[in-house]
Amino acid sequence: DVKVTQSSRYLVKRTGEKVFLECVQDMDHENMFWYRQDPGLGLRLIYFSYDVKMKEKGDIPEGYSVSREKKERFSLILESASTNQTSMYLCASSQGQFNQPQHFGDGTRLSIL
Amino acid sequence: AQKVTQAQTEISVVEKEDVTLDCVYETRDTTYYLFWYKQPPSGELVFLIRRNSFDEQNEISGRYSWNFQKSTSSFNFTITASQVVDSAVYFCALSGGSNYKLTFGKGTLLTVNP
Repeated sequence: DVKVTQSSRYLVKRTGEKVFLECVQDMDHENMFWYRQDPGLGLRLIYFSYDVKMKEKGDIPEGYSVSREKKERFSLILESASTNQTSMYLCASSQGQFNQPQHFGDGTRLSIL
Repeated sequence: AQKVTQAQTEISVVEKEDVTLDCVYETRDTTYYLFWYKQPPSGELVFLIRRNSFDEQNEISGRYSWNFQKSTSSFNFTITASQVVDSAVYFCALSGGSNYKLTFGKGTLLTVNP
């Protein structure tokens, strides 16, 4: 079974802090994704990566950056956290092209105070 | 642009009832894939099924069945004899063209009461 592991289940940070969310997958997938999930808005794609050191903006990249130095690890960075970034963050990975399903981690519920 | 609409925001049923979750999609791609995911209260999205645009056969897996109709751009999901463990948010999603992105619907919260 594919395993996508997010480093924290719950995280509380303060406004202005630099926040790192880590995601690791164990199935040698090329593609990795970061989403945020908010009530009434569903899942929205922040960034994705289809190869090491490659990244593409999703639908809502503002205020975020990402890093993919190794194939198995994809990090989401909040450069200066703000209260409107309080949300559930979901990481996913997939193999190959768009016909493959994405496999998700358990999510990180991030609160910015 | 791709779009997925799940018009039912919340559905509540009593155990053993059948329930259908609706999904309507829009795409200009001729080749595309449709997915259903389940998100239980624990939070993890679980992949349930994938269907490609050339395969309109219905699919049945235990108490779950899926009805794909290109003529109406719909990919509906039916749970037969629902159980409390089916309580979750269900997402329909679409991918196609040359990109890797999944477009999700906003989800349907299904509550199955004992």
